[in-house]
Amino acid sequence: DTGVSQDPRHKITKRGQNVTFRCDPISEHNRLYWYRQTLGQGPEFLTYFQNEAQLEKSRLLSNRFSAERPKGSFSTLEIQRTEQGDSAMYLCASSLAGTGGEQYFGPGTRLTVT
Amino acid sequence: KNEVEQSPQNLTAQEGEFITINCSYSVGISALHWLQQHPGGGIVSLFMLSSGKKKHGRLIATINIQEKHSSLHITASHPRDSAVYICAVIRPGGGADGLTFGKGTHLIIQP
Repeated sequence: DTGVSQDPRHKITKRGQNVTFRCDPISEHNRLYWYRQTLGQGPEFLTYFQNEAQLEKSRLLSNRFSAERPKGSFSTLEIQRTEQGDSAMYLCASSLAGTGGEQYFGPGTRLTVT
Repeated sequence: KNEVEQSPQNLTAQEGEFITINCSYSVGISALHWLQQHPGGGIVSLFMLSSGKKKHGRLIATINIQEKHSSLHITASHPRDSAVYICAVIRPGGGADGLTFGKGTHLIIQP
């Protein structure tokens, strides 16, 4: 499978715990995006990497959130001290710079904070 | 007011009907995506277009840059078309700040 993959697909955690999600983009894609989608809403942009550099961060990304892409390939999104409001679908997408920006999405990680 | 507005928010139709979903945006864009999201969350890109019209099977997408409006049409709709359809725009600059999404149109096609 050469698409975007995310792990885990589902995560249930208790409030206050830390969680980490992983995204593996399409191998030749140098851009990687994280989005968050709450129930009944469209996705919202969180952050974006070009290679290993994190170039954009949304105001939605509080200091409890951190994202990395250490080798310019896979990326991790960590949420510290989770809150119930963090419950959402976390989507990852990748694209190839210079191709007009078409993004390919992973299946998402659904986080439930109890 | 959201930068990307979709209508209708919910649409229920009978199998075989011609479906139209509309998207209006208020910002300058370089391109527009139509995306499909099934229950369970996975998103699939249907079209990316910056002008004119694209067709893929029973799906047709059009965009009018001057009017800042795009439509997604489904001909001969089928229950398997039931999904959330999301319009998203790419700002000039190649998508460096990601996509700006509409809230989606929840489509149900009844047999």
